[in-house]
Amino acid sequence: EAQVTQNPRYLITVTGKKLTVTCSQNMNHEYMSWYRQDPGLGLRQIYYSMNVEVTDKGDVPEGYKVSRKEKRNFPLILESPSPNQTSLYFCASSPGTGGGYSNQPQHFGDGTRLSIL
Amino acid sequence: DQQVKQNSPSLSVQEGRISILNCDYTNSMFDYFLWYKKYPAEGPTFLISISSIKDKNEDGRFTVFLNKSAKHLSLHIVPSQPGDSAVYFCAAPGPLGNEKLTFGTGTRLTIIP
Repeated sequence: EAQVTQNPRYLITVTGKKLTVTCSQNMNHEYMSWYRQDPGLGLRQIYYSMNVEVTDKGDVPEGYKVSRKEKRNFPLILESPSPNQTSLYFCASSPGTGGGYSNQPQHFGDGTRLSIL
Repeated sequence: DQQVKQNSPSLSVQEGRISILNCDYTNSMFDYFLWYKKYPAEGPTFLISISSIKDKNEDGRFTVFLNKSAKHLSLHIVPSQPGDSAVYFCAAPGPLGNEKLTFGTGTRLTIIP
């Protein structure tokens, strides 16, 4: 089954304790992306990647890091989490071929709810 | 600076009637738009898209209209069904040369049986 898998689905942690949210897709997609969803603000893009070793900032990259060492994986790293990073996070992927990366429909994971105390 | 705006946070429509969800954008360089639908505890799923070379795209009960001069698009659902109750997001990629994807704030649609 084609899917984007995020782990963990829920996490409560404390300020300053480094954490990683993993994202894996099994569709051989080139484009992967991370979003956060906050009330009243919709979905905002954090980082995206057009292929292995190619990453770029979205609209809200501060406080986050990503890496794309393999095509299927795109982990989101919070080196020193703070309470304002409490949010619902989504990873997504799309084929990224045939002209344009971000205009192709993206497949989303089911989300990771992070609470940072 | 919210480049893609959905000014109605919520909308209630009777089952069988037409639902119209609106989206405005400020960047005239956007040339492609997508609509996503999101149920609680799930990720968004792609619904329908439209290129700026068209002013209408239809897929079953869903039609998206694009008015480039007004920088406005709308999603029509006819007839509305209870399973359409969800949050709907419009999104705009790019513009050209930029592979970001900008989402609106979403509209929660409730279909009343």
